[in-house]
Amino acid sequence: AQSVSQHNHHVILSEAASLELGCNYSYGGTVNLFWYVQYPGQHLQLLLKYFSGDPLVKGIKGFEAEFIKSKFSFNLRKPSVQWSDTAEYFCALGGGGNKLTFGTGTQLKVEL
Amino acid sequence: GAVVSQHPSRVICKSGTSVKIECRSLDFQATTMFWYRQFPKKSLMLMATSNEGSKATYEQGVEKDKFLINHASLTLSTLTVTSAHPEDSSFYICSAPGLAGTRGEQYFGPGTRLTVT
Repeated sequence: AQSVSQHNHHVILSEAASLELGCNYSYGGTVNLFWYVQYPGQHLQLLLKYFSGDPLVKGIKGFEAEFIKSKFSFNLRKPSVQWSDTAEYFCALGGGGNKLTFGTGTQLKVEL
Repeated sequence: GAVVSQHPSRVICKSGTSVKIECRSLDFQATTMFWYRQFPKKSLMLMATSNEGSKATYEQGVEKDKFLINHASLTLSTLTVTSAHPEDSSFYICSAPGLAGTRGEQYFGPGTRLTVT
């Protein structure tokens, strides 16, 4: 069985602070990993994805994530957050049949 | 990018009635769509995979007779919550896979907030 865990449920940062959201997964097969973001009142959008190759993946809006196979992790990072980054962030693992297994999400609040 | 719509965005119904939620892919065809349920402060849980032209595949623990799924065409899937109860109140989200080769990437609808009174 595959699973995804996000340990930070709520994160509050000041603008310009650096961000790192943890994501760990459990899966015995080839992993496809995603970070989705849900801005207030909007639908889920893809932030970035990892399929293979360079373990450091860059996404939209200055976000990046690093796949560390030995740690079963795919942490999301951003050097300097903005107020507009306030949203809920979901890590997801792609499995067979195009199915996604989601983590519980991290609510990020960026204060001015 | 691909757009997925849902209708209605919010619905309130009385206990015992049925509610239908529509999910449409607006600018692409989707032979498969997914239905999720999102609980407050919890993750999205996959309920079922909707397949055009065949029966839906339900995840373990999801009552297929309660959550009826019909994939009527290549752009429309519907979820009907039958004999709704207050515990069915939730946020229901549909999605459709990306193009072939995108391996798990999905496009999500905006969700439907169901409240059963």
